Amino acid sequence: EPEVTQTPSHQVTQMGQEVILRCVPISNHLYFYWYRQILGQKVEFLVSFYNNEISEKSEIFDDQFSVERPDGSNFTLKIRSTKLEDSAMYFCARGGADTGELFFGEGSRLTVL
Amino acid sequence: AQSVSQHNHHVILSEAASLELGCNYSYGGTVNLFWYVQYPGQHLQLLLKYFSGDPLVKGIKGFEAEFIKSKFSFNLRKPSVQWSDTAEYFCAVNLSGTYKYIFGTGTRLKVLA
Repeated sequence: EPEVTQTPSHQVTQMGQEVILRCVPISNHLYFYWYRQILGQKVEFLVSFYNNEISEKSEIFDDQFSVERPDGSNFTLKIRSTKLEDSAMYFCARGGADTGELFFGEGSRLTVL
Repeated sequence: AQSVSQHNHHVILSEAASLELGCNYSYGGTVNLFWYVQYPGQHLQLLLKYFSGDPLVKGIKGFEAEFIKSKFSFNLRKPSVQWSDTAEYFCAVNLSGTYKYIFGTGTRLKVLA
């Protein structure tokens, strides 16, 4: 069983629309990550989030992307105006600095038409 | 720039054959090393990890990996594969002192019964 639950499992949207992907950890953790995997390509780091702040982000994570933890539990990734190239599997992960291991959710598949 | 290379993109083996998947990284500093597995339709799961100490690490399901610092390599091995090992395998590097993990492009393994 994954330690984080992601919703939706699959979302289809029109180009230019806003999308919110959600991640719910089973237990309280401070470190969260978003990764994405475009079909057939490698898993790419998007952003890390520690103690309710972005700790690091990649070049992919531009102004169209944002993350927040609005209620102290759910961890969301928002894409403001989706592009065709945003079509990918988005993985949320929780981690701990003590172990260095990432625990992934099952992913949210985003299809932008 | 830091990167992780996995040399084999697709590997097909018969049951009981031995497996070795290559992984090389480019980073001059201290790293933590991981192998993750993604079974069809499932989330990424940790196979094994190396932080320090014995460079030969053993993971779940009979997998092991050897860290060779001079070669910047962390190859995954299994002496005898099973049909259930059919999956995609990802090598990942965590740069010590950061929250960022860099993944390789993955190796898709198919084991024939």
